[in-house]
Amino acid sequence: GAGVSQSPSNKVTEKGKDVELRCDPISGHTALYWYRQSLGQGLEFLIYFQGNSAPDKSGLPSDRFSAERTGGSVSTLTIQRTQQEDSAVYLCASSSTGNWAFFGQGTRLTVV
Amino acid sequence: DAKTTQPNSMESNEEEPVHLPCNHSTISGTDYIHWYRQLPSQGPEYVIHGLTSNVNNRMASLAIAEDRKSSTLILHRATLRDAAVYYCILRENNNAGNMLTFGGGTRLMVKP
Repeated sequence: GAGVSQSPSNKVTEKGKDVELRCDPISGHTALYWYRQSLGQGLEFLIYFQGNSAPDKSGLPSDRFSAERTGGSVSTLTIQRTQQEDSAVYLCASSSTGNWAFFGQGTRLTVV
Repeated sequence: DAKTTQPNSMESNEEEPVHLPCNHSTISGTDYIHWYRQLPSQGPEYVIHGLTSNVNNRMASLAIAEDRKSSTLILHRATLRDAAVYYCILRENNNAGNMLTFGGGTRLMVKP
């Protein structure tokens, strides 16, 4: 596709369930970022993948959060045992080295 | 990452120029100055970036101070569609790829 694609666009889940959020970056982009944005707040960095290097996981808020990037392309962000405070928009972005980043439209996660 | 400081909010009248300031007094010689904006209910989008010289593109102009400790994003004629949060980010440009750290940004309100 022409841009960064995220799915699903909306997800409602019950507290305690696990969820998986998917990001399809722009083809050929070596860098991939995950952020989350709570209502009315700024972007909170979660994790960053760059090529074959070990990901920078320094922003993950707890061990319930994990992410992987298979084959240097698609990435999945997994949240285990979701809590209400996990409700937010989860944004994915990708970029070529040194260039600007392209963002997806995000996945709005609501934990009820 | 070097930090940036922006006003929390600004107001403008439609069809008037807007100057959005950003202070980055700890900028290093290899940091590029990037601007992104986030329209309501959308992911951030790239606006412009520069290193030392002023830059122009179809969306905006970027004026960079001679000492590079501050910059100004210029929208030449604000429209209602320009109402967004504008983020000023420093990004080290190297072959290993680099992080994007977002601050609070400036919320621009455009009055008709």
